[in-house]
Amino acid sequence: IAGITQAPTSQILAAGRRMTLRCTQDMRHNAMYWYRQDLGLGLRLIHYSNTAGTTGKGEVPDGYSVSRANTDDFPLTLASAVPSQTSVYFCASSERGGSSGEQFFGPGTRLTVL
Amino acid sequence: GQNIDQPTEMTATEGAIVQINCTYQTSGFNGLFWYQQHAGEAPTFLSYNVLDGLEEKGRFSSFLSRSKGYSYLLLKELQMKDSASYLCAGMDSNYQLIWGAGTKLIIKP
Repeated sequence: IAGITQAPTSQILAAGRRMTLRCTQDMRHNAMYWYRQDLGLGLRLIHYSNTAGTTGKGEVPDGYSVSRANTDDFPLTLASAVPSQTSVYFCASSERGGSSGEQFFGPGTRLTVL
Repeated sequence: GQNIDQPTEMTATEGAIVQINCTYQTSGFNGLFWYQQHAGEAPTFLSYNVLDGLEEKGRFSSFLSRSKGYSYLLLKELQMKDSASYLCAGMDSNYQLIWGAGTKLIIKP
């Protein structure tokens, strides 16, 4: 593994189904983030974690949950998917939470909810 | 509220210079970032400014004026591979990034 990986690359999901997007980084970064990117809008922060064991809500957290059991993994769960959650999801990490460090992004997951 | 404004699309010619502007309003300020994003790919870091002035990095330069809430990204000697979206993001007092919608740069031969 080099950098940040996300799985799956893409997914089509029926509304009402539960889905977990996976994110793993091997850079030993403390902080991790989940964003969604929709056409015509900027990246919007869903949830973040400044260090293992802690999480926080971003701008658009409703309908999503996260956990940070260890430094490397930061899964995002949609408990009951809705069509408005159709988007491209990016996971990112940075060396320190609460700092001005640059964020490194994973390749993204393209999710379609029907 | 917090807001980042940048043009939706710009067109430039190969070999030329282009300036992409960004104005920002954030709750507190901890710096201004520029990222490049090719279609279908992840954003990649280009530059970070926290003090007023110009930061030069090869063909790319970034400028910041904190008093005006303004930044620009300057790309020189444009190459076809520079065709991408350029994302401006301001870091607020909570160290969260507030992102603009991006400027799609089209390079013509």
